[in-house]
Amino acid sequence: AQTVTQSQPEMSVQEAETVTLSCTYDTSENNYYLFWYKQPPSRQMILVIRQEAYKQQNATENRFSVNFQKAAKSFSLKISDSQLGDTAMYFCLNAGNMLTFGGGTRLMVKP
Amino acid sequence: DTGVSQDPRHKITKRGQNVTFRCDPISEHNRLYWYRQTLGQGPEFLTYFQNEAQLEKSRLLSDRFSAERPKGSFSTLEIQRTEQGDSAMYLCASSRGVGLSSYEQYFGPGTRLTVT
Repeated sequence: AQTVTQSQPEMSVQEAETVTLSCTYDTSENNYYLFWYKQPPSRQMILVIRQEAYKQQNATENRFSVNFQKAAKSFSLKISDSQLGDTAMYFCLNAGNMLTFGGGTRLMVKP
Repeated sequence: DTGVSQDPRHKITKRGQNVTFRCDPISEHNRLYWYRQTLGQGPEFLTYFQNEAQLEKSRLLSDRFSAERPKGSFSTLEIQRTEQGDSAMYLCASSRGVGLSSYEQYFGPGTRLTVT
């Protein structure tokens, strides 16, 4: 069975600071993709960043970057210069033959 | 440019009734996904289509659940003989069907089902 674990149910960060959300996964597949999605309160899910498992280079999208450690099956998300609009639930997704989301981390950015 | 739309946005039904939800994907997307999300949890995969073909079904999708995408455009998800445990948000997503892009999903706003 494929699992995705987000060990931090809730986190908070001061505006303009940096925060890291953790995600670990377990899969028997060799080819898969990893994603972080954001779900703002009462709004739909939005793709934040993507990573192909066969690429060693960590993905970066503006203020968002990942630390992908394939051997450790870890895929953490770093948000730099946090903004109030980053307040949301964040979900990690392992996509291959199966599609498995983690349980989510609720991030609150404080002014 | 319209995104993924779902109808209805909210549905309240009595236990034992049948319900049907509709999803309209982004027009050029050939993959369509259905998920179920309960409060405070991550989405659980139910099924997905590549054009009109249903390629994968989760074991979560009991015999009471059925999904169709007859012409490879919109999709419907039907739940027969609803139970209180079916109360959840039902999410639809679509994507292009090639490589990494096939998993870059665009989500709709969801249909919230309440079974009383």
